[in-house]
Amino acid sequence: AQSVTQPDIHITVSEGASLELRCNYSYGATPYLFWYVQSPGQGLQLLLKYFSGDTLVQGIKGFEAEFKRSQSSFNLRKPSVHWSDAAEYFCAVGVPRYNNNDMRFGAGTRLTVKP
Amino acid sequence: DAGVTQSPTHLIKTRGQQVTLRCSPKSGHDTVSWYQQALGQGPQFIFQYYEEEERQRGNFPDRFSGHQFPNYSSELNVNALLLGDSALYLCASSLEGRALSGANVLTFGAGSRLTVL
Repeated sequence: AQSVTQPDIHITVSEGASLELRCNYSYGATPYLFWYVQSPGQGLQLLLKYFSGDTLVQGIKGFEAEFKRSQSSFNLRKPSVHWSDAAEYFCAVGVPRYNNNDMRFGAGTRLTVKP
Repeated sequence: DAGVTQSPTHLIKTRGQQVTLRCSPKSGHDTVSWYQQALGQGPQFIFQYYEEEERQRGNFPDRFSGHQFPNYSSELNVNALLLGDSALYLCASSLEGRALSGANVLTFGAGSRLTVL
């Protein structure tokens, strides 16, 4: 079965600094990959997704992620962090079959933004 | 356009009790998935409902059951509550028709936070 590892439990960056959140997955083929963001008391909001094609995907709120097959990674990046980006970020992997119902999430990375 | 709505937002139960959580999918969606998110963890897949039937199930005991109604809304029931059932329960909806392309994307509700004392 597929699995997801987010090595960083908590990251602190200064406002305006760049950000990279790491995600590694385990799956026998190319999975569907997602990044979601969760603010306190909120559900999960989709930031971006990768299914196939260009390995650099753009998402909402200025985020991007790059799929690297050789490293089994799908790291999330943002060139300049805003205070409103403080939240919990989840990487997820879905199996490319009939449905994405079997989606596995990482444990999450909590982002703190310093003024 | 309303997204996924869940009720109640918060509830407190005691061990051994039963709970029912409700979910209305996003307009136009016909598939509902339920996830359990324990504190400090990522969401764990419980099960998914489509056409009023449970289509797939994660590694959860039979104490967890569900139902989908003709209007696509869904309920999650948990019997004989344990302290470990305390969590945020997330409902996500999607459109089955997109599954053929594999581009099925989940839309999540804000969740129901269950505390078991």
